[in-house]
Amino acid sequence: NAGVMQNPRHLVRRRGQEARLRCSPMKGHSHVYWYRQLPEEGLKFMVYLQKENIIDESGMPKERFSAEFPKEGPSILRIQQVVRGDSAAYFCASSSKRTGQGLSISFFGPGTRLTVL
Amino acid sequence: DAKTTQPPSMDCAEGRAANLPCNHSTISGNEYVYWYRQIHSQGPQYIIHGLKNNETNEMASLIITEDRKSSTLILPHATLRDTAVYYCIVRVAGSNYKLTFGKGTLLTVNP
Repeated sequence: NAGVMQNPRHLVRRRGQEARLRCSPMKGHSHVYWYRQLPEEGLKFMVYLQKENIIDESGMPKERFSAEFPKEGPSILRIQQVVRGDSAAYFCASSSKRTGQGLSISFFGPGTRLTVL
Repeated sequence: DAKTTQPPSMDCAEGRAANLPCNHSTISGNEYVYWYRQIHSQGPQYIIHGLKNNETNEMASLIITEDRKSSTLILPHATLRDTAVYYCIVRVAGSNYKLTFGKGTLLTVNP
């Protein structure tokens, strides 16, 4: 049973380019979350998606960042016109539907390390 | 979600038990305690969670005080590979799925 998969693992972009980060959730998981970890800082929630819906994007920067989780295929975190401050590790997590108690466990992928030159 | 307080760092000798404390004095009745760890440069790894009873799995044990204001994660026989940042997170089960990570405790297991 494969875990959460993310690709690419490392991504280098020049300022002004676009970055696309992909996340394939665990089999049977329909909830996806994106987190960002800036150098020497903790993980910060960015966005929570279910299939074809954004549920909570309270942690997403207002500009240049977008996320989607289409009916088919992986979830995509897209960063347009990257700047040096976007350099960070981006982690995706997935979880299954709630149990009767409303409890779910999030499992994380290995992350994508974005470097902006 | 309730705030948690953890020591910034701890040391443990290889083969000994590692006891990582967490204070969550404002926890409410429907909030669970979760523990994750992050080994350097890797994605966070789920360890264990609990509501009010002590819990044990193949990785660790979780001891929650009777008043639920604090808890302790126990790694019974720490190895060098257990060196990581350990995060204690309190979260309401149900509507709020996101995890709020604090600074955690850097556990260093020494040979």
